[in-house]
Amino acid sequence: DGGITQSPKYLFRKEGQNVTLSCEQNLNHDAMYWYRQDPGQGLRLIYYSQIVNDFQKGDIAEGYSVSREKKESFPLTVTSAQKNPTAFYLCASSYPRGSYGYTFGSGTRLTVV
Amino acid sequence: RKEVEQDPGPFNVPEGATVAFNCTYSNSASQSFFWYRQDCRKEPKLLMSVYSSGNEDGRFTAQLNRASQYISLLIRDSKLSDSATYLCVVNIPNTDKLIFGTGTRLQVFP
Repeated sequence: DGGITQSPKYLFRKEGQNVTLSCEQNLNHDAMYWYRQDPGQGLRLIYYSQIVNDFQKGDIAEGYSVSREKKESFPLTVTSAQKNPTAFYLCASSYPRGSYGYTFGSGTRLTVV
Repeated sequence: RKEVEQDPGPFNVPEGATVAFNCTYSNSASQSFFWYRQDCRKEPKLLMSVYSSGNEDGRFTAQLNRASQYISLLIRDSKLSDSATYLCVVNIPNTDKLIFGTGTRLQVFP
């Protein structure tokens, strides 16, 4: 079955540490996205990529980095420069123009310890 | 004005009730509209797309009013399992990006 997989489900980060969240899809979607959701809040776009080897900053890119070396994969690194990284991170993918909506992964819950 | 605006609720309704949510959007050139459902601590899932002519899927009916720039979702015969947050979603024209509303929370009680 086609889908989008995020790992790990839970992640704990120490202060000053970089961590990488994995996102893989086998839906043959060109576009991929990373969102952050804080408790009781809406989704905020971190980065998105429309094609391989290309990506753009979203609304809250500071302290994050991404790569898109393969169509199927769009990993997100939360760097030590992100001062408040505790949140629920959601990866999504779509066909061009998002015409059929986005498919989301099940998310990674990141906590700073 | 926010790009997509929803009443946050919560809407507390008894089982069997009919409940309606509205959502307004700011960009008149938007062409794609969706309702998503998000359960607590889970990812959003596509509930239904919204078409100009209106569309129905079982107990759920979605409607679009382009002139007034709002979208509605009607849930008939509410079930306990309908309890969730409902997100209104609108595309940004000429991009791959969708804008998600902050959601309307529904709580169905016995």
